[in-house]
Amino acid sequence: AQSVTQLDSHVSVSEGTPVLLRCNYSSSYSPSLFWYVQHPNKGLQLLLKYTSAATLVKGINGFEAEFKKSETSFHLTKPSAHMSDAAEYFCVVIRGGTSYGKLTFGQGTILTVHP
Amino acid sequence: DTGVSQNPRHKITKRGQNVTFRCDPISEHNRLYWYRQTLGQGPEFLTYFQNEAQLEKSRLLSDRFSAERPKGSFSTLEIQRTEQGDSAMYLCASSRREPGDEKLFFGSGTQLSVL
Repeated sequence: AQSVTQLDSHVSVSEGTPVLLRCNYSSSYSPSLFWYVQHPNKGLQLLLKYTSAATLVKGINGFEAEFKKSETSFHLTKPSAHMSDAAEYFCVVIRGGTSYGKLTFGQGTILTVHP
Repeated sequence: DTGVSQNPRHKITKRGQNVTFRCDPISEHNRLYWYRQTLGQGPEFLTYFQNEAQLEKSRLLSDRFSAERPKGSFSTLEIQRTEQGDSAMYLCASSRREPGDEKLFFGSGTQLSVL
């Protein structure tokens, strides 16, 4: 079975400082990994995805994530936080070989950005 | 707006009543998903349609739950004899089959409260 563990339920940063949201995965097969963001009263939005083409993945809004097989990690980073980044972030896995969008979500990390 | 639309946004019902939610996917998307999200958790997969065919149902979907997509366009999710444990956000997502590049677009969800 595949799963993801988000190591922090809440992360608080100051505007302009780096963001690090941690995610470890477990999968029996080569997984596809994603980060989604959920703003209040809005639908989940895809930030970026990893599908084995490159280990460093760049997404929207300046976010990026690095797939590290040896550490089974897929941490999300951003060099400089903006107030608009405040939201809940989900690390997501699809089992390798799955031909449709049966996503397994982590429990989420709430990011707070202080002025 | 041509995104995924869900109605109603909120539903309050008494225990034992039946409720029905509707999802209108992005028009050219042939795949449709239902997920459920409870407070403090990530979304959990419920079921998946390709066109009008329901191809997978999670064990989370008890006999009281039924989903349909009669013409391969909009979908409905019905819960019969609601229980307090059914209180959650019900999310719909759609996608277009693209080998190796599945991207789900989520609606804003229907928040169900069972009193």
